[in-house]
Amino acid sequence: EVLLVESGGGLVKPGGCLRLSCAASRFTFSTYGMNWVRQAPGKGLEWVSFISGGTNYIYYADSVKGRFIISRDNTENSLFLQMNSLTVEDTAVYYCVREGVQKWFDSWGQGTLVTVSS
Amino acid sequence: EIVLTQSPATLSLSSGERATLSCRASQSVSTYLAWYQQKPGQAPRLLMYDASNRATGIPARFSGSGSGTDFTLTISSLEPEDSAVYYCQQRSNWPLTFGGGTKVEIK
Repeated sequence: EVLLVESGGGLVKPGGCLRLSCAASRFTFSTYGMNWVRQAPGKGLEWVSFISGGTNYIYYADSVKGRFIISRDNTENSLFLQMNSLTVEDTAVYYCVREGVQKWFDSWGQGTLVTVSS
Repeated sequence: EIVLTQSPATLSLSSGERATLSCRASQSVSTYLAWYQQKPGQAPRLLMYDASNRATGIPARFSGSGSGTDFTLTISSLEPEDSAVYYCQQRSNWPLTFGGGTKVEIK
């Protein structure tokens, strides 16, 4: 069974930065597109960013464009999200999500909480 | 950006009853629509993809239909474990978007 384990969440002040990581295992990581999806406390789901297996394609939600950077290391089976210029609106649980063979979100990590507060 | 509007916001039904959840897109997404189930404290789980295909391991009481702008998720006979929030999601256009969710409560 696919395993995705996020880390790197925590408390950060507005304007600060944080780097999230996702360790992937039990599948051929380099052949799958990966996403970050977030969920603010008590709210719905918001897609954040996508990166293709070979990093040829990268997309961002408008709400994070220019502040967040998605990347991956296929040799280490890891996905990253560099988050800069954080605001209180970025407070959320961030999920690492695999794009399955049917191009849908077929596997999710347990999430890591990012809290932006002064 | 394609906006997905889900209705109703909350559905309160008894076990054994039929649940019908709606998702309407602001423009056509063809059949590039999926449904996810999220229980409290858990990550979402893929239920349906391409509007009408059940994901691996999903019980047959779940079914999906629709194309273009109007989609429906039906739970034919509610079980207590179906209590959750259900989200639709489109992948027709970037950015990928989710609906606001429908909470299904079992009386």
